[in-house]
Amino acid sequence: DQQVKQNSPSLSVQEGRISILNCDYTNSMFDYFLWYKKYPAEGPTFLISISSIKDKNEDGRFTVFLNKSAKHLSLHIVPSQPGDSAVYFCAASAHFGNEKLTFGTGTRLTIIP
Amino acid sequence: DSGVTQTPKHLITATGQRVTLRCSPRSGDLSVYWYQQSLDQGLQFLIQYYNGEERAKGNILERFSAQQFPDLHSELNLSSLELGDSALYFCASKEAPGANYGYTFGSGTRLTVV
Repeated sequence: DQQVKQNSPSLSVQEGRISILNCDYTNSMFDYFLWYKKYPAEGPTFLISISSIKDKNEDGRFTVFLNKSAKHLSLHIVPSQPGDSAVYFCAASAHFGNEKLTFGTGTRLTIIP
Repeated sequence: DSGVTQTPKHLITATGQRVTLRCSPRSGDLSVYWYQQSLDQGLQFLIQYYNGEERAKGNILERFSAQQFPDLHSELNLSSLELGDSALYFCASKEAPGANYGYTFGSGTRLTVV
């Protein structure tokens, strides 16, 4: 039972354009969402998070949007840079403070120079 | 370097064997988490320790066990290994549970069971 789904295994975007990565979840108890970025041979790196009391959180070039009614979140990267090429994982937890994260299967983002 | 150290980086072993994966958390972090990533899968939560005590358990097999020592390093023991246990095993650490940020992962141990 995949409670967090990233339906696009891969995405290619031109440098300078916007990258939009999507994530859907099924568990209505999830109330805290995170995005991680992973380079080859490295562990995932925390990127940005959002609590369910918000619908948007911004950090520099990265913005996460949460649509609770649709159980959908997205990560926007603007402008996209070659260093953004990586695998991006969406993760969620139920009851803030519950440390167990449920991860999606990841989306490989390739930025084309 | 994330500050979370995992050893060994690679491990090849035969079915039926037992291995121990080691994790040293970032300095000052009291919580340690173990995750398993099988091929083309998301990371699956195994277990969490906080300051030496088990705090949360995920889908961890009975053949697997873990502990966190007084110096806060943690070990994940995998026994009676099967081919399906081949995966990347990640350790992560955090200062304390509930803090409003993601935890820090190590670079993982790649286990291959042959």
